Amino acid sequence: AQSVAQPEDQVNVAEGNPLTVKCTYSVSGNPYLFWYVQYPNRGLQFLLKYITGDNLVKGSYGFEAEFNKSQTSFHLKKPSALVSDSALYFCAVRDGRSQAGTALIFGKGTTLSVSS
Amino acid sequence: DTGVSQNPRHKITKRGQNVTFRCDPISEHNRLYWYRQTLGQGPEFLTYFQNEAQLEKSRLLSDRFSAERPKGSFSTLEIQRTEQGDSAMYLCASSLVPGGSGSPLHFGNGTRLTVT
Repeated sequence: AQSVAQPEDQVNVAEGNPLTVKCTYSVSGNPYLFWYVQYPNRGLQFLLKYITGDNLVKGSYGFEAEFNKSQTSFHLKKPSALVSDSALYFCAVRDGRSQAGTALIFGKGTTLSVSS
Repeated sequence: DTGVSQNPRHKITKRGQNVTFRCDPISEHNRLYWYRQTLGQGPEFLTYFQNEAQLEKSRLLSDRFSAERPKGSFSTLEIQRTEQGDSAMYLCASSLVPGGSGSPLHFGNGTRLTVT
């Protein structure tokens, strides 16, 4: 089955500490993986993607993610959290059943709360 | 880049009425997507267009739903005989091809539908 799991509904970190938002996936074929962020009353914004190549990908706002094929994971990380990073984060994977390979399957989202 | 624009922002309708939403994608983007997001869930794929052609529809898109993109620019999503289960945030996104399935999606702020 094609799926994305974000096991934590909420992650709480103190400003300046490293953060990790977890994502695991199940998909047929090579995974195309994405992270998006949603701020209140705003649309989803693209953060980063993994298609192929280096397992560590860097994205916007200092975020990075590590692709781990053996663990089927794609965790989002940042070395030093900011209060402004507080938002809802979605992991997504291309749906391998999608005829044109365009549909994305999103996880349920993880709320990141960074305290000052 | 003026972003993806969706109208209206909010729509309240009575069960059984028809509603229509509009999406204006980023002007040079040739792919346009509709997703639906309910509370506590990630977005779910509904359909996508490449230029004016509707190339894929999810099984979530019942025959009460119809989407058009008549000139390959803006798109409309119509829901006929609305049901309370249609209450959700309807998201539009666009992307540029070439770039393939790895092209990031640019989302609008969504139209929130409430069916009473």
